[in-house]
Amino acid sequence: AQTVTQSQPEMSVQEAETVTLSCTYDTSESNYYLFWYKQPPSRQMILVIRQEAYKQQNATENRFSVNFQKAAKSFSLKISDSQLGDTAMYFCAFYRDYKLSFGAGTTVTVRA
Amino acid sequence: GAVVSQHPSWVICKSGTSVKIECRSLDFQATTMFWYRQFPKQSLMLMATSNEGSKATYEQGVEKDKFLINHASLTLSTLTVTSAHPEDSSFYICSARKGLAGGRNEQFFGPGTRLTVL
Repeated sequence: AQTVTQSQPEMSVQEAETVTLSCTYDTSESNYYLFWYKQPPSRQMILVIRQEAYKQQNATENRFSVNFQKAAKSFSLKISDSQLGDTAMYFCAFYRDYKLSFGAGTTVTVRA
Repeated sequence: GAVVSQHPSWVICKSGTSVKIECRSLDFQATTMFWYRQFPKQSLMLMATSNEGSKATYEQGVEKDKFLINHASLTLSTLTVTSAHPEDSSFYICSARKGLAGGRNEQFFGPGTRLTVL
């Protein structure tokens, strides 16, 4: 079974600044996907960004980017130019064989 | 698009009764749906994988006789919590797998159902 570790339970960031969330995972597989999901107070899970393990290039989606280090099994998320609407719980997830394994989550609060 | 709905969004029931939660993929067919449970400020825990036309596969520690899952069509899966007790109170989230271009698969999540057992 895959384990996903998010070591930061909570983070706070000033509006317009940058915050980085860490995620490490443990697997013996070489082909897999990694995701970051956002869960705002509405509790609807929203996909933020996806990374295929076979791709060396780090994924980016507008203000969101990842630093994928396959050998280190690390997958951090950087939120640039933070906005109030980014306030949410963020989950790192490992995907293989159609199953998602989630980390414990990091609560991000963006301060005005 | 890929929209998944859940009904009801919030349900309160008495201890000992059964509650059914529906999960529908509105604009795509989902051969596989998943049911998760989430306690406040915690992560999503996979309860079971539901395949259309076959029995659900339950994760270790999940009582299959208590959490009945039926996936009768390509757009509908139901979770029935039987003889509910207060400890079953939680947020239940479903997701549906959709095949995407390039052989990729992605799970799309429903908005969740808050169950409160009195």
